[in-house]
Formats: sequence, C-alpha cells, structure tokens
Amino acid sequence: GESVGLHLPTLSVQEGDNSIINCAYSNSASDYFIWYKQESGKGPQFIIDIRSNMDKRQGQRVTVLLNKTVKHLSLQIAATQPGDSAVYFCAETFQGAQKLVFGQGTRLTINP
Amino acid sequence: ETGVTQTPRHLVMGMTNKKSLKCEQHLGHNAMYWYKQSAKKPLELMFVYNFKEQTENNSVPSRFSPECPNSSHLFLHLHTLQPEDSALYLCASSQVVAGGGELFFGEGSRLTVL
Repeated sequence: GESVGLHLPTLSVQEGDNSIINCAYSNSASDYFIWYKQESGKGPQFIIDIRSNMDKRQGQRVTVLLNKTVKHLSLQIAATQPGDSAVYFCAETFQGAQKLVFGQGTRLTINP
Repeated sequence: ETGVTQTPRHLVMGMTNKKSLKCEQHLGHNAMYWYKQSAKKPLELMFVYNFKEQTENNSVPSRFSPECPNSSHLFLHLHTLQPEDSALYLCASSQVVAGGGELFFGEGSRLTVL
C-alpha cells in the first residue's frame, strides 16, 4: 500500500465506535475547508467540505466542525466501519479551491 | 472510479531518462492540476491549468515540464530527475466555480528515480 508519511499522527478505534480526527489550519484568511480520504493505493477522495460562514456541516455518517477562533477543524465519523481505514487529510484555501493547502494527514485504523 | 485516469501507475527511471506521465479527465472539468505526494511531506501543489492555460507554477524545478493540450489531458514530462523526486504524482481536475470547486484526484503515478 501507499506510504504517505512516516510521521503521521495515528488513530485507532474499535469498529462501531465514533472517531474524531483533528486538524489545525494555518491561514486565518482561509474560507473554504475540505476533508479528503486516501485509501491505500488510491488518490485522495472528497468527503465533505465547509465554508467559513458555517461552523458545522453534516453528511452521511460524517460531520465537520469548524472553529475559526482557534483555527481548528475536525472530522467526526460515526459508527466506524473497516472501510473507513485510511489516511484523512484536511485542506484549506481561500478565494476558491484552486490552491488547496493540505495538512499532513492522520492515519485511521479500525480494529475489528 | 473518479473520472480521472493516470498512466502509468508505476514508473522506474534513471536520472538520465526522459519519460512522461499522462492524465485524462472524463468529467468535463475546466481545470487540471499536478500534485506531488512524498513520504514525509503533505501533498504539494505543482501546477494548475485553467482552460488549458497555466495559472500556477509552485516554484517547480524545470526538470518537470507540464503540458496541457486541451482541457481533458495533462502531461508531466520528466527529464534529468533526481532520486529525491521519487514520489507519488497525483493529477486532479475540477470545475472552477465562484467560491470553490471540488478536486477529483486520479490514483497517481508512483515514480521511482534510481
């Protein structure tokens, strides 16, 4: 499989539990944020996005929370499944998504 | 299937070789991108093309030469590479809209420079 980072933060959770992946972003001017999932051997895949005029957005089993005061973004995955095992990246940008700046990523492992 | 196809998936080349990576998107998007993913770094944006015109070159060494003949195809020509250029090269496309536009990534071309 892919090796996307030797110093990735890691998170292990039991199947069925909820998981929370955190991300600190750097640019206070960023107004658009995206979470991507990258499975082994694949490219990053869009999960959910949020704009700076919101502080919460929900998708299917996923919720993104944005705290602009402390420049913090989190991804909550409910009732984790084996297929959720992947590396998760947050990305930030402003004035459109053409210059996304990616975080280092968090490797999520789901234990049976 | 993301609608973005990259070839080859794996490439091994010597430092004196010349090779090219190819990307094709079947999504009707108007923007295409090259990203580099190394083992110890976050994804790095290399080039952005909007409507076939290069709009971003993120200080990429000239040994990487992009080409975008049309909105659906993007190439990355490689010559005189260094071992530290070994990485996963990801192509992406998007439909540029006001305020953003989701990036769709290909599965990448894993490059090894000997």
